[in-house]
Amino acid sequence: DADVTQTPRNRITKTGKRIMLECSQTKGHDRMYWYRQDPGLGLRLIYYSFDVKDINKGEISDGYSVSRQAQAKFSLSLESAIPNQTALYFCATSRGGLGETQYFGPGTRLLVL
Amino acid sequence: GQQVMQIPQYQHVQEGEDFTTYCNSSTTLSNIQWYKQRPGGHPVFLIQLVKSGEVKKQKRLTFQFGEAKKNSSLHITATQTTDVGTYFCAVYGGSQGNLIFGKGTKLSVKP
Repeated sequence: DADVTQTPRNRITKTGKRIMLECSQTKGHDRMYWYRQDPGLGLRLIYYSFDVKDINKGEISDGYSVSRQAQAKFSLSLESAIPNQTALYFCATSRGGLGETQYFGPGTRLLVL
Repeated sequence: GQQVMQIPQYQHVQEGEDFTTYCNSSTTLSNIQWYKQRPGGHPVFLIQLVKSGEVKKQKRLTFQFGEAKKNSSLHITATQTTDVGTYFCAVYGGSQGNLIFGKGTKLSVKP
């Protein structure tokens, strides 16, 4: 959805480098999420935020950190990138409450050499 | 924690054949969502099922929620090349009710 944007769309980095992936949304949703997708493993939740002051670890948060700068912005950082963090990263948003649809950004393809 | 098993992992069909993917849970689900991800794209919401035994249709796609609300299926009648992609089921679970995705079924369609 154009309402959820991610930058960069592709990134190549070296082991040990710190990088930041950014996500912005114009949907006005309170909840934002970062997922990682690897072939055969589906979508795994890294971090999620229910509002600006609420940030929570997901299933695979080790090696990652996040920042919720505003309702519309949620950034994912890799403190010291390693090759097994090579993956496709998606940001998603939703309104609050159970059963809400998630809207995904276009994804960032990251390669760590 | 909540888990959902999705099968098969891959399905190759000839155009015009039918396709079905299944999601199973060991616990009763409050609802289940289905998403489609086209090659090179991002997951896009298709539908949500809430009621026991619910059946919903979207053109050639039929979604079912089991009577016990522990399983669900997505059936595509007479597949077309536009159906290619990965289909994910997703359920709400976990300590804060996060959306948990199945591993997906990757569908390829041979013209």
